[in-house]
Amino acid sequence: DTGVSQNPRHKITKRGQNVTFRCDPISEHNRLYWYRQTLGQGPEFLTYFQNEAQLEKSRLLSDRFSAERPKGSFSTLEIQRTEQGDSAMYLCASSLGGALDQETQYFGPGTRLLVL
Amino acid sequence: AQSVTQLDSQVPVFEEAPVELRCNYSSSVSVYLFWYVQYPNQGLQLLLKYLSGSTLVKGINGFEAEFNKSQTSFHLRKPSVHISDTAEYFCAGGGGGFKTIFGAGTRLFVKA
Repeated sequence: DTGVSQNPRHKITKRGQNVTFRCDPISEHNRLYWYRQTLGQGPEFLTYFQNEAQLEKSRLLSDRFSAERPKGSFSTLEIQRTEQGDSAMYLCASSLGGALDQETQYFGPGTRLLVL
Repeated sequence: AQSVTQLDSQVPVFEEAPVELRCNYSSSVSVYLFWYVQYPNQGLQLLLKYLSGSTLVKGINGFEAEFNKSQTSFHLRKPSVHISDTAEYFCAGGGGGFKTIFGAGTRLFVKA
């Protein structure tokens, strides 16, 4: 299976701890996206990368959140000093990187974070 | 403000009955519109998308959607549902650039 993979699938942490999630996109995909999904809601856009460049960040991405894609392949999303409100499913998606009207995002299974 | 509104949070329906899941988008959302399905503990899977051209879009698993510009709607339909269609369905639209705006989701529950 060469789809988008995310690790870990589940993470339980205590408030104030730092957590890091990893996303491995489909290998030939240039664009990579992070979304957050809380219970009963649709995914909310956080940020996206074109290769290694982070091109857009949502206001939802506070200064406790940082995302990287150092070599234009896998990406990490780190949350520092976690709060209970950070509990959510964090979804990663990737796309080929063509014109907007050719874009299809392929989603990973997500990382479910629970902050106690 | 950019928004995508799914008018029903839950839709129960009997197996083999037709179903319509309703979606409205704000005029500030670009007319790249999508429907995704999410099965339990899985990521989102694209059902269909509208970019331009014919207003009736056919997708996977027998689903189709109709783009209506005057009503700013993009409702999803299936003529006959199966138990396996039970899932969460998300309508989404382009939010400018490559950002996607999602609705809150509609839980389709197919009963035997």
